[in-house]
Amino acid sequence: SYVLTQPPSVSVAPGQTARITCGGDIIGSQSVHWYQQKPGQAPVLVVYDDSDRPSGIPERFSGSNSGNTATLTISRVEAGDEADYYCQVWDSSSYHTVFGGGTQLTVL
Amino acid sequence: EVQLVESGGGLVQPGGSLRLSCAASGFTFSSFSMNWVRQAPGKGLEWVSYISGTTNIIYYADSVKGRFTISRDNAQNSLYLQMNSLRAEDTALYYCAREVSGNLPYWGQGTLVTVSS
Repeated sequence: SYVLTQPPSVSVAPGQTARITCGGDIIGSQSVHWYQQKPGQAPVLVVYDDSDRPSGIPERFSGSNSGNTATLTISRVEAGDEADYYCQVWDSSSYHTVFGGGTQLTVL
Repeated sequence: EVQLVESGGGLVQPGGSLRLSCAASGFTFSSFSMNWVRQAPGKGLEWVSYISGTTNIIYYADSVKGRFTISRDNAQNSLYLQMNSLRAEDTALYYCAREVSGNLPYWGQGTLVTVSS
């Protein structure tokens, strides 16, 4: 089955840019979605279809996808961005939704 | 406002059964595919199952296939997950989520299932 690989953790200072990667075989040919999950809360969709933002999500959140890597970029990071982030695709070959293992973002 | 409210979780012994429900409101339920996603304590998200809006197309994760059954009642705006032959590794917070073009913009708050003797 399709596998999505994320780094377990990323750390960044406030005001800097955080980049969270999601690796997968030819992931650039798929639509990638990103979720933010804070402790004790349900996941929240922050980027869909590689680079689109749902209403209410700050412009600081952006996404890209090419080759074997998709990236969630958070600009001007704030303390409130500290959370777990998950990438997700729909694997049409197996008819499965697949999540990456998640990345814990720490704001120093 | 879209609302998804899960219920039915609890403590069950290994080998037992449980039926989860998800009550939907604030949208035309039959128009949307729905999913169950779970999260074991301290772990990541794991997709469990999918059901289409009206055509009853259904998919399962390999880890639950043959043990879990997803269903829906569009007249009652409800989604269900019948879980049989439960194992310790099924212990998790179970979320229902509404799907739009392959992504999940709406989630409930989850219902906790604990499988233990």
